[in-house]
Amino acid sequence: GAGVSQSPSNKVTEKGKDVELRCDPISGHTALYWYRQRLGQGLEFLIYFQGNSAPDKSGLPSDRFSAERTGESVSTLTIQRTQQEDSAVYLCASSKPGSGAFFGQGTRLTVV
Amino acid sequence: AQTVTQSQPEMSVQEAETVTLSCTYDTSENNYYLFWYKQPPSRQMILVIRQEAYKQQNATENRFSVNFQKAAKSFSLKISDSQLGDTAMYFCAFMKSPSPGKLTFGQGTILTVHP
Repeated sequence: GAGVSQSPSNKVTEKGKDVELRCDPISGHTALYWYRQRLGQGLEFLIYFQGNSAPDKSGLPSDRFSAERTGESVSTLTIQRTQQEDSAVYLCASSKPGSGAFFGQGTRLTVV
Repeated sequence: AQTVTQSQPEMSVQEAETVTLSCTYDTSENNYYLFWYKQPPSRQMILVIRQEAYKQQNATENRFSVNFQKAAKSFSLKISDSQLGDTAMYFCAFMKSPSPGKLTFGQGTILTVHP
């Protein structure tokens, strides 16, 4: 596709379960970003991948959060032992040199 | 570390009028990029306009223009002839150079356009 694709669009999970969120960036985009957005709030930086460099994980809120990226392709964000405070929209974006970042539609995660 | 500050949590404007959203940032970098993003209720983040720090000329995209003051570290967005569809949350963002670099966002400004 032409844009950033995220799946699932919505996810409801029980507290304590693990969840995996997926992001397909725009082809050719070397950078990939994950952000968290709580209702009515701004974007909270989670993690940033750039090419083959070590990712910037400085925004991950706890060791329950992890992310991987295969080369310059798909990324998955995993949240283990989900808590109610993890409920939010998780946004993924990708970018290439000289461009801004382009966002997917996000995954709305609800922990019940 | 870079910080981006939007001091206006909410703004409103009448349709067809002009509104300016404020953004300031703090960085020790000399080369960087600045962006404004729009997030309507659909939650899709849309890139509105971008500015490269080494360019003195202010960026313009149709009804959207910026006032970039590098020395003051200020980057405001002016929306002319406001339309109902401009109602959204607007985010200012900073990207380190070389592009693409880490992207840092401000807190956002909710803009409401009234008929």
